[in-house]
Amino acid sequence: ETGVTQSPTHLIKTRGQQVTLRCSSQSGHNTVSWYQQALGQGPQFIFQYYREEENGRGNFPPRFSGLQFPNYSSELNVNALELDDSALYLCASSLGGEVPYNEQFFGPGTRLTVL
Amino acid sequence: AQKITQTQPGMFVQEKEAVTLDCTYDTSDPSYGLFWYKQPSSGEMIFLIYQGSYDQQNATEGRYSLNFQKARKSANLVISASQLGDSAMYFCAEGSQGNLIFGKGTKLSVKP
Repeated sequence: ETGVTQSPTHLIKTRGQQVTLRCSSQSGHNTVSWYQQALGQGPQFIFQYYREEENGRGNFPPRFSGLQFPNYSSELNVNALELDDSALYLCASSLGGEVPYNEQFFGPGTRLTVL
Repeated sequence: AQKITQTQPGMFVQEKEAVTLDCTYDTSDPSYGLFWYKQPSSGEMIFLIYQGSYDQQNATEGRYSLNFQKARKSANLVISASQLGDSAMYFCAEGSQGNLIFGKGTKLSVKP
């Protein structure tokens, strides 16, 4: 286990609703990245938070937003849910900064179903 | 734009044999990292191995090794002595500092 936790495990919402997903990073990690993984696809980068600031964003609309808290846990918020938002949402924590690369530790994911 | 291609949707291997999973990448960044992750049916992504673009030697981690051919832009994963527990999806990814670009994955099935 990586020490990264996500909640809830599963979630069912209807189109147009809003959802908040939560992630607790591994102890000592200050960076959280969020990914969306549709069925049969590889994960796609949504955005990253480093020390409570957004530090990069993928090709996702503004209705995908996030927060990182002083304890480095994070939330992903999705407004106006669409059917295509149904996916596994993964968060990954790492130790950001000036290092050659940062191994990312993934949580178990939240499976979101939009009806 | 960065791109990762995994051309094998599914692979079968006999238990205890070696298997190679293919990955090619396309990036214009002079410095980059290549990663392999394993995703069991539970969904969690498990880090397997990393190769830096300037590393002179191929990376190895236990039964995993990465066959890095920079000129061909390929970073194939070799799993030696396959085990039943190796059955999973395998993803190749490129990037650093969080912005990982993943391929579509290869489903590996290990036969007893």
